[in-house]
Amino acid sequence: QQQVRQSSQSLTVWEGETAILNCSYENSAFDYFPWYQQFPGEGPALLIAIRSVSDKKEDGRFTIFFNKREKNLSLHIKDSQPGDSATYFCAASGSNYNVLYFGSGTKLTVEP
Amino acid sequence: EAAVTQSPRNKVTVTGGNVTLSCRQTNSHNYMYWYRQDTGHGLRLIHYSYGAGNLQIGDVPDGYKATRTTQEDFFLLLELASPSQTSLYFCASSPDREEVFFGKGTRLTVV
Repeated sequence: QQQVRQSSQSLTVWEGETAILNCSYENSAFDYFPWYQQFPGEGPALLIAIRSVSDKKEDGRFTIFFNKREKNLSLHIKDSQPGDSATYFCAASGSNYNVLYFGSGTKLTVEP
Repeated sequence: EAAVTQSPRNKVTVTGGNVTLSCRQTNSHNYMYWYRQDTGHGLRLIHYSYGAGNLQIGDVPDGYKATRTTQEDFFLLLELASPSQTSLYFCASSPDREEVFFGKGTRLTVV
């Protein structure tokens, strides 16, 4: 049973557009939601994270929108660049858990 | 910057073979993890540990053993490798169960 779901396996946008990556989760006890970015040949790396007490977290061109009632969140990448082409993983955890649960990932391609 | 080093980076073995994947972290993190990454499944947790001598079972433990010999070293053992274990394996460490630092991965092929 997948606790964290990413609806799109892949997404292609043009340079300069806003890419929107979606994620949903099952467990109401989750309260920490990071997004990880992975380039080919590398391990995933933390990009941005939000806690469930907030509904928005912004860091430069990257913004997380969080909807606790609907148990979903999205990562918006404004002014997408070809260098943003990577796989993005949504993850979740909570104070009662010792681990992060990861979604299946969305491969983003930004076309110049 | 947290450093997690995996070895080997690539490994080919035969069905029924014995394989050990190694991981070392140099940041004195308490938590260490082994994940496998497969297309369509994302990152799935195999085993994890929160200190030397400790071992916890993850979501996909069948066919895998793990051992945490020191604070720094975490090993993943496949004693009877099968083709279904062909995958990209990541080791990771974390100070606090939240920000997780990954190694570069080991690509294992079981033929």
